Amino acid sequence: GQQLNQSPQSMFIQEGEDVSMNCTSSSIFNTWLWYKQDPGEGPVLLIALYKAGELTSNGRLTAQFGITRKDSFLNISASIPSDVGIYFCAGLSSGSARQLTFGSGTQLTVLP
Amino acid sequence: DSGVTQTPKHLITATGQRVTLRCSPRSGDLSVYWYQQSLDQGLQFLIQYYNGEERAKGNILERFSAQQFPDLHSELNLSSLELGDSALYFCASSQSGRINTGELFFGEGSRLTVL
Repeated sequence: GQQLNQSPQSMFIQEGEDVSMNCTSSSIFNTWLWYKQDPGEGPVLLIALYKAGELTSNGRLTAQFGITRKDSFLNISASIPSDVGIYFCAGLSSGSARQLTFGSGTQLTVLP
Repeated sequence: DSGVTQTPKHLITATGQRVTLRCSPRSGDLSVYWYQQSLDQGLQFLIQYYNGEERAKGNILERFSAQQFPDLHSELNLSSLELGDSALYFCASSQSGRINTGELFFGEGSRLTVL
């Protein structure tokens, strides 16, 4: 089946630093999404990207849909303690019964 | 609060037993999705229902079954439980129609521990 390679697996950064994480796939996706999961909670949608090359921002978060449709990255600027959590990329392929394929997640720790 | 309600939050049971997990989607959402999250497998899609009908099936074991009722709540039944079934089970709902846009609202999950 389709697989997403998400990196890095974990990150430890200082408060105020910028963060970058990415996802790559051997398959093409028509939609890329980024979710965040806080401890004890379900994933929450951060950003959705629908078009190759699209760059979308949501506050301090910026994500891009790669031109090849096989990759996406997420940047977080000026990190704060509440950015701690697991960030998942997810790809959605074409087809009538398409479903999300999730990456393995990036565990982000923000140090004060 | 996503608006998706899952019960129970925690469940501990023994191998060979059967459990039922319940999900109430957000008001107005017709699609319900079930996902399994384990440490070594990440988030795995199990099954989707749309307005009471099965819409898509993922990596769902034959020991597992689900249904969506007329009031749109859904249940995931797990039987003949094995140690490896221990995981977080998430329900998600979507306001999109039959076509999945990927924009899902997840519940807080049901943590199943099989001893």
